[in-house]
Amino acid sequence: AQSVSQHNHHVILSEAASLELGCNYSYGGTVNLFWYVQYPGQHLQLLLKYFSGDPLVKGIKGFEAEFIKSKFSFNLRKPSVQWSDTAEYFCAVKRILTGGGNKLTFGTGTQLKVEL
Amino acid sequence: GAVVSQHPSRVICKSGTSVKIECRSLDFQATTMFWYRQFPKKSLMLMATSNEGSKATYEQGVEKDKFLINHASLTLSTLTVTSAHPEDSSFYICSARDRLAFGKHNEQFFGPGTRLTVL
Repeated sequence: AQSVSQHNHHVILSEAASLELGCNYSYGGTVNLFWYVQYPGQHLQLLLKYFSGDPLVKGIKGFEAEFIKSKFSFNLRKPSVQWSDTAEYFCAVKRILTGGGNKLTFGTGTQLKVEL
Repeated sequence: GAVVSQHPSRVICKSGTSVKIECRSLDFQATTMFWYRQFPKKSLMLMATSNEGSKATYEQGVEKDKFLINHASLTLSTLTVTSAHPEDSSFYICSARDRLAFGKHNEQFFGPGTRLTVL
């Protein structure tokens, strides 16, 4: 079965520190990759996505992610975090199947806390 | 961006009762909606995929008779937790895919979730 692993469950950073959150998946076929963010008390929002093309994807709020196919990874990065980035971050993978029925599989999430 | 609403946002019920949760796409039509369940400190687990006008497709291990899904229109899907028990207490999240965006790697938009507590 496909799995999505997020290695860091809790991350605490000071403002202006750089961020990298790891995400690995186990499926070897064609995939679409996503990072979602859930701010306290709010619903999931899409940060960025990768379907094809340039493996370095830029999203909203200064976030970016790099797809490394050989490592089955899609790590999220931000050069300088802000207090407002405090949230839970979910990596998600969608297997692309020829028969359709594509489903999103989520990682367990990483809780990021940014301290002033 | 597209908006998905859920109602209610919180519900507390007695064991043995049934609870209905609504999911609405507010500014787009959704032929496909998804229902997820999120446990504390855990990821979102897909329960079922709801298709407008047809039966839902349930994931392995999800009881169809326990979690009834109805997708009667292009903007509304409902999840009914029947004969709820304390172990059904969880955070239920719906997601909808824009019908008009099909074929353009269309995104799923998520609702704010419903916190169910069964006493």
